[in-house]
Amino acid sequence: GENVEQHPSTLSVQEGDSAVIKCTYSDSASNYFPWYKQELGKRPQLIIDIRSNVGEKKDQRIAVTLNKTAKHFSLHITETQPEDSAVYFCAAYPRKSSGDKLTFGTGTRLAVRP
Amino acid sequence: EPEVTQTPSHQVTQMGQEVILRCVPISNHLYFYWYRQILGQKVEFLVSFYNNEISEKSEIFDDQFSVERPDGSNFTLKIRSTKLEDSAMYFCASSDPITFGSGTRLTVV
Repeated sequence: GENVEQHPSTLSVQEGDSAVIKCTYSDSASNYFPWYKQELGKRPQLIIDIRSNVGEKKDQRIAVTLNKTAKHFSLHITETQPEDSAVYFCAAYPRKSSGDKLTFGTGTRLAVRP
Repeated sequence: EPEVTQTPSHQVTQMGQEVILRCVPISNHLYFYWYRQILGQKVEFLVSFYNNEISEKSEIFDDQFSVERPDGSNFTLKIRSTKLEDSAMYFCASSDPITFGSGTRLTVV
C-alpha cells in the first residue's frame, strides 16, 4: 500500500519568513496530493491540493510543487503569520472510480514566532 | 459551504461497551470514509464505503468495527466492544472533494 513520509516533524520560523514542508510517497498510482492544516482539537482543513498532471500550484501565500518522477511534493508558505501556526499534513490519494483511501503523512508542527 | 456533520462531538464509554458514531455526509457525495487520530499522532484510514459496501479497510478495522448507511443520509461507525486503545478522535469524510467532519472524540474508560 501507499506510504507517505513527511519532514520535518517540527518547524519553527520567524514571522515573515518562509516555511517548507516536504513529503515523499511510494505508490506510483497516487495521483492526487492534498495538504491539510489542523488546529488543535479541530478537523483537518484542506488548504491546497495538486493533481499529478500539474507540477506546481499557487494560492496566495501557499504553493505546492510535485515531482512525479522522484515521488515527492512540497508545501511552501511565504510571509508566514502567527495564524499559520498549526499541524500540517500531506496526503496521497490514488483516485479511482470506486474511491480509495487517503494516506496521510506524519504531520509537521509549524510554529511561527511573532 | 456544504459540511460533513458528526455526532456526538464527545463520547465517553466504559471498556467493553458498544458505541455508534454518526455522520451525515455531504448530500451529493458518493464516497464515505472513517479515519481516526490518536492524540498527537497522524490521521489513520479505517474504512472506505462506496455503492453501499465497503471498498477498502485497514488492518485497524477488525471484526469489532462495522459501518452502515442505514437510511441513505446517515453513515455510522459501530465499535462492538470498546477497548482503551480505541480512545481517539474519529473523523468521518466524504468525497469528492474529500471533506472531513468535525470529529467525535471517543474516550474509553
